[in-house]
Amino acid sequence: SQTIHQWPATLVQPVGSPLSLECTVEGTSNPNLYWYRQAAGRGLQLLFYSVGIGQISSEVPQNLSASRPQDRQFILSSKKLLLSDSGFYLCAWSGGAGHEQFFGPGTRLTVL
Amino acid sequence: AQSVTQLDSHVSVSEGTPVLLRCNYSSSYSPSLFWYVQHPNKGLQLLLKYTSAATLVKGINGFEAEFKKSETSFHLTKPSAHMSDAAEYFCVVSDQSGNTGKLIFGQGTTLQVKP
Repeated sequence: SQTIHQWPATLVQPVGSPLSLECTVEGTSNPNLYWYRQAAGRGLQLLFYSVGIGQISSEVPQNLSASRPQDRQFILSSKKLLLSDSGFYLCAWSGGAGHEQFFGPGTRLTVL
Repeated sequence: AQSVTQLDSHVSVSEGTPVLLRCNYSSSYSPSLFWYVQHPNKGLQLLLKYTSAATLVKGINGFEAEFKKSETSFHLTKPSAHMSDAAEYFCVVSDQSGNTGKLIFGQGTTLQVKP
């Protein structure tokens, strides 16, 4: 069966520090991968998606970047965090268009 | 373009009474529709999905949804609410313009279950 992992579960970082969040998927190959952010009391905002290794599409201009160095690994990064980067970050995978997405447990990021 | 509208931002029911969470969609294609649930500080869990098979879809935890093309609706129901059903619920449509697998989320409905 497929599983999706995210770490860390929680993170507190000062403004201006770098960020690296990791997501890995097991039990499937060539998944589509997604990064979302959820601000407090808000809906989900799609940040990045990837349909293959090295292929990254950005949905919104921002302070973040994403990379996919391996088929089942998706990394969210920032060189310098802003206060507005605080939120709940969710990684998800799917089998392609029309399919459901399966979500990881999320990372709670607080930028102080 | 596809879109989805959840008609209630907050629904409150008593334990043991029926649950109805309303969702309307807009799609130029034959849509794939989903309902997800999110408990506090957790990831989203798939409750059920509609992908052009039976119009009445049964999901986990006693939830079901009916796809009504004439009404462009996909309402989520449960006959009897349990305290553990208190959570955020998202109605979702698949973005079928391209092969990205992107989903379009409603704004969410918070379900409160009173004892």
